[in-house]
Amino acid sequence: AQSVTQLDSQVPVFEEAPVELRCNYSSSVSVYLFWYVQYPNQGLQLLLKYLSGSTLVKGINGFEAEFNKSQTSFHLRKPSVHISDTAEYFCAVSDPFGNEKLTFGTGTRLTIIP
Amino acid sequence: KAGVTQTPRYLIKTRGQQVTLSCSPISGHRSVSWYQQTPGQGLQFLFEYFSETQRNKGNFPGRFSGRQFSNSRSEMNVSTLELGDSALYLCASRKDSNNQPQHFGDGTRLSIL
Repeated sequence: AQSVTQLDSQVPVFEEAPVELRCNYSSSVSVYLFWYVQYPNQGLQLLLKYLSGSTLVKGINGFEAEFNKSQTSFHLRKPSVHISDTAEYFCAVSDPFGNEKLTFGTGTRLTIIP
Repeated sequence: KAGVTQTPRYLIKTRGQQVTLSCSPISGHRSVSWYQQTPGQGLQFLFEYFSETQRNKGNFPGRFSGRQFSNSRSEMNVSTLELGDSALYLCASRKDSNNQPQHFGDGTRLSIL
């Protein structure tokens, strides 16, 4: 079974400051890793994904994440946040063997302070 | 390219009723998955359909069911509604390839009175 832990339920950050949202996973097999963002009254939008290869993954809106297999982590980072980044962010895993199920973390609410 | 379309966006029902939610995937996507999102339980996988067959199922009671049509559109049905079924129901579609991510619709918000 797989699980995802997002350690911070809420993260307040000043505008133009850097941010890191933490994600740790547990799995007995190799995994695919994803970060999704959810704006109010909307569905989930894919920010980035890690399937294999380079451990540093770049996504949309200036976000990037680094896969660390030894620490089973996939933290999301952005060097300078904007008011429009205020949203809820979800880390998710799936297995690479055709299982469609995404297992999500509990989410991190990112609040940008002007 | 149109995204995943879910209808209706909002729905109000009473306990004991049943409800059907609809999802139209992105053109060319043959896999459709459903998720339930609640404040208490977060995002939970309901089931996944591919080529009109349920391929994977989460841990939900039999009151939750679904189907997929030949054009890949999917419906989800919940019978004998309970207050705890109040949630945002999200549909996601993807191409049938292991390295393709799921694309989500904006969801149907179901409220049970």
